[in-house]
Amino acid sequence: NAGVTQTPKFQVLKTGQSMTLQCAQDMNHEYMSWYRQDPGMGLRLIHYSVGAGITDQGEVPNGYNVSRSTTEDFPLRLLSAAPSQTSVYFCASRKQPGTSVYEQYFGPGTRLTVT
Amino acid sequence: AQTVTQSQPEMSVQEAETVTLSCTYDTSESDYYLFWYKQPPSRQMILVIRQEAYKQQNATENRFSVNFQKAAKSFSLKISDSQLGDAAMYFCAYRSSTSGTYKYIFGTGTRLKVLA
Repeated sequence: NAGVTQTPKFQVLKTGQSMTLQCAQDMNHEYMSWYRQDPGMGLRLIHYSVGAGITDQGEVPNGYNVSRSTTEDFPLRLLSAAPSQTSVYFCASRKQPGTSVYEQYFGPGTRLTVT
Repeated sequence: AQTVTQSQPEMSVQEAETVTLSCTYDTSESDYYLFWYKQPPSRQMILVIRQEAYKQQNATENRFSVNFQKAAKSFSLKISDSQLGDAAMYFCAYRSSTSGTYKYIFGTGTRLKVLA
């Protein structure tokens, strides 16, 4: 298994440009999510999905869109990039829990710089 | 709303010594999960240890152990026999045990330096 993969690893955008961060997992996990990591802020949840066709907002959703057309993929779209979106972005996935705790698996991250 | 606080932005430890990283949280729930994640310079987030709140016994994983004080809402991580490879950012995280809950709440992290 490749686990959780993210592309690209690095990206530089100009203000106003749009782009899509890709995330894929091959573990048949129902839950997927996007976080952003900023210095001194820890990880903050942007959007998450509990299954194909179902998405919801996290703590900091503004400026981002997501969709989940398949179990494997969960792309994050920046509609009009702003310098405030300069951050490291992590995708994560895990199995739907019943009464057990399932580990959350993280991708390697994408470092995005908006100038 | 739940919150997670890591009050130590940076800690240092001598190689082979023991260090404790602090984490406090706030919640009105009685059942939940707590985690410690390690993030080395590679940026990869690695699960170090987890604790279910209903378990009174503190979790241990080799050189890593926790001191879980439910009444005090404290969840500290102890690293014994520190190694150079332990140098990283460490994040404490909380997740509700309510079925269907997905959201993890992360602390702001503690940077651990290991001195040779």
